[in-house]
Amino acid sequence: ETGVTQSPTHLIKTRGQQVTLRCSSQSGHNTVSWYQQALGQGPQFIFQYYREEENGRGNFPPRFSGLQFPNYSSELNVNALELDDSALYLCASSLTGQIYGYTFGSGTRLTVV
Amino acid sequence: GDSVTQMEGPVTLSEEAFLTINCTYTATGYPSLFWYVQYPGEGLQLLLKATKADDKGSNKGFEATYRKETTSFHLEKGSVQVSDSAVYFCALSDNAGNMLTFGGGTRLMVKP
Repeated sequence: ETGVTQSPTHLIKTRGQQVTLRCSSQSGHNTVSWYQQALGQGPQFIFQYYREEENGRGNFPPRFSGLQFPNYSSELNVNALELDDSALYLCASSLTGQIYGYTFGSGTRLTVV
Repeated sequence: GDSVTQMEGPVTLSEEAFLTINCTYTATGYPSLFWYVQYPGEGLQLLLKATKADDKGSNKGFEATYRKETTSFHLEKGSVQVSDSAVYFCALSDNAGNMLTFGGGTRLMVKP
């Protein structure tokens, strides 16, 4: 079975721009969660998608938004980028929110300059 | 809100030394507890988990026991190897199982 695939692996954007990160979930998984990991820190929960609807959100502003598609893949969109948005963005997939079965991708490293 | 505190690193050990990484948590209800490992350039891998008080999670020689009375979930290994060098994260899940709350991570460096 394939694991979680994220693209791109690295990205450099300018402050104020918009960015879209992509995630393909593991085969058989229907729930996708996104986490932000700043350098030297633990991951922080952004939001989760289940059945194409947001199913929980962490303490992130509305300029962080997402989508889930019928094939369970997902996008994370960030508008009006700020320097503090520079981080590793991790996607994790699971089956029906079963947290024990989370599979993480390798992440997208976003640098905002 | 829920929170996880783990010892700051880096932790530097010689091969075959005993490892302890401390983790304590604050949560309402009865969370599940996890240890994740992150190797350079990779995502997070689940190392072990425990879902209720006094449960012991174990995997690849690592162990951790869910201690509700001390709100702790310390990670231990009797004999570390160079290949164990990585960053280790303690985490808990909310009661709905929708999200993980992570500690800040502890970098382990094992020298030959």
